[in-house]
Amino acid sequence: SQQGEEDPQALSIQEGENATMNCSYKTSINNLQWYRQNSGRGLVHLILIRSNEREKHSGRLRVTLDTSKKSSSLLITASRAADTASYFCATDGVNQAGTALIFGKGTTLSVSS
Amino acid sequence: NAGVTQTPKFQVLKTGQSMTLQCAQDMNHNSMYWYRQDPGMGLRLIYYSASEGTTDKGEVPNGYNVSRLNKREFSLRLESAAPSQTSVYFCASSEVWWPPNNEQFFGPGTRLTVL
Repeated sequence: SQQGEEDPQALSIQEGENATMNCSYKTSINNLQWYRQNSGRGLVHLILIRSNEREKHSGRLRVTLDTSKKSSSLLITASRAADTASYFCATDGVNQAGTALIFGKGTTLSVSS
Repeated sequence: NAGVTQTPKFQVLKTGQSMTLQCAQDMNHNSMYWYRQDPGMGLRLIYYSASEGTTDKGEVPNGYNVSRLNKREFSLRLESAAPSQTSVYFCASSEVWWPPNNEQFFGPGTRLTVL
């Protein structure tokens, strides 16, 4: 019952470059969240964007949401080695009984110096 | 503030053994969750507790039981472990379960291997 699907599965860039990850989902949502997971750690919330918002910023993060295309993107500008992690989108399970948040499979970002 | 804590961090079981994973949060959150994370599968919800005194099945509840001991603590029990339950287990909490317009806070995870 995966709702969000991230693309690409893996991304390798150099420090200082921008990283863009995409998330597509299938059913209508009220909001979409992005989380980061460092290797061997739990997930950490990055940003939440509501269905009536088109763009949101938080520091070096920029999230866009296109409800007509059922997609979202996460842009990390001026990447650093510390941004190396897996990134997950999570959508609210509007039509999924018993599931408040549905997580995608994630994009693994590797930033080399 | 410790946030969400989980014990143990690692565990190896033999098929058929039982164990309980412990989780506690100190943020006064109403809702708590248990997820499992498998390679290439993302996170899947096992059970959740929307509020103290209630528990409900998630996407993959078979083979598990849970107890919401009090507002702080939410445990996950494997009665008879199977190799298919080899996974990383995460506990999480949030202010409310629905609507899910609030962030979830995750524990560090328990890495379980069932031989």
